[in-house]
Amino acid sequence: AQKVTQAQTEISVVEKEDVTLDCVYETRDTTYYLFWYKQPPSGELVFLIRRNSFDEQNEISGRYSWNFQKSTSSFNFTITASQVVDSAVYFCALSEARTGANNLFFGTGTRLTVIP
Amino acid sequence: EAQVTQNPRYLITVTGKKLTVTCSQNMNHEYMSWYRQDPGLGLRQIYYSMNVEVTDKGDVPEGYKVSRKEKRNFPLILESPSPNQTSLYFCASSLAPGGVTQETQYFGPGTRLLVL
Repeated sequence: AQKVTQAQTEISVVEKEDVTLDCVYETRDTTYYLFWYKQPPSGELVFLIRRNSFDEQNEISGRYSWNFQKSTSSFNFTITASQVVDSAVYFCALSEARTGANNLFFGTGTRLTVIP
Repeated sequence: EAQVTQNPRYLITVTGKKLTVTCSQNMNHEYMSWYRQDPGLGLRQIYYSMNVEVTDKGDVPEGYKVSRKEKRNFPLILESPSPNQTSLYFCASSLAPGGVTQETQYFGPGTRLLVL
């Protein structure tokens, strides 16, 4: 069965510090996709990244970077030089090709607080 | 502007009073889905639809109904709401219904429901 674990419930950092949010997943499928979404205090869900199981290249987008490692079933998210606007709940999610449907399985989220 | 809209955004109701939360997307997406978000549980899928007149249960379908008569609309119906359905509800859509390529899901702004 599929499962996404975000063991860090809450993290607090001081502005300009780097922070890594962990995501560990379980799946029996060989073709799957991993996602990160951001939920700021206003409540909406903002898509950040989508990565398929065949692409293990790390990705960088500005201050954001993602480290996908199939060997450890992890898809960690790092924010460099954090800012107060990064304060949000971050969700990691998984979808599996074998289900034939585009269903997302979410982790329980990590609440990040960036202290000015 | 490409978007997923939900109405109402906030709703307070009483046990047993039927209600409908509407969801509409203007991106000609085939796949639509409903999730509920509860503290400590992340987001869980209620129902999904892979196309017009094609709907299926997600992980927590009890107490909910859906319909997909038009491609753009996917209303969520609570025939007899109960307090345990107090939650934050999200509608989402994606271009393709699923399979080998799992398209990114884009979320509506959320509907906060309180059932007394």
